[in-house]
Amino acid sequence: GAGVSQSPSNKVTEKGKDVELRCDPISGHTALYWYRQSLGQGLEFLIYFQGNSAPDKSGLPSDRFSAERTGGSVSTLTIQRTQQEDSAVYLCASSCRDSYFGPGTRLTVT
Amino acid sequence: QQPVQSPQAVILREGEDAVINCSSSKALYSVHWYRQKHGEAPVFLMILLKGGEQKGHDKISASFNEKKQQSSLYLTASQLSYSGTYFCGTVPYSGAGSYQLTFGKGTKLSVIP
Repeated sequence: GAGVSQSPSNKVTEKGKDVELRCDPISGHTALYWYRQSLGQGLEFLIYFQGNSAPDKSGLPSDRFSAERTGGSVSTLTIQRTQQEDSAVYLCASSCRDSYFGPGTRLTVT
Repeated sequence: QQPVQSPQAVILREGEDAVINCSSSKALYSVHWYRQKHGEAPVFLMILLKGGEQKGHDKISASFNEKKQQSSLYLTASQLSYSGTYFCGTVPYSGAGSYQLTFGKGTKLSVIP
């Protein structure tokens, strides 16, 4: 497929557990963004990768959140010791100039 | 710093026009517009890069006033399918070379028959 893909599409986890969310960007797109969207809310910027440059982590809400991008392609967002307030849809977007979003991962922390 | 969108919500009858505004306190490199329907991911509409640039997509067009750091999205002869939440995203000029794309809180557009 030519679009951005994310996995899993849904994740239910218990409070305190760690989760990993995956994003496969569009081939050739050098930039990759992670956003969080709570129910009925806007798009909260989390982190931005551009090529081989150091990522812009200014949006990460706490040190429980981290992300990496391997080989300039696939990215993983990791949330450690999940809390109920982490429940949201996590969206990944890849960009060459235009940015395209993946379908998102709906995370529910119980 | 996120851009400011107005209005927060608007209700239109089919065939009516609407304007959604987006403004930033920072000098902008680009403005991006998206539409999101309930339960779906945002869908890219258009990007504007240059001051004064205008673009169109079917009956949806946008303008970008670089000097005022403002963009407007114009929806003409609205259709039921235009309903959704519209987000503007902005990329400010950055000496650090980061092209952080930050979104406004969105404008909820409802088109009714």
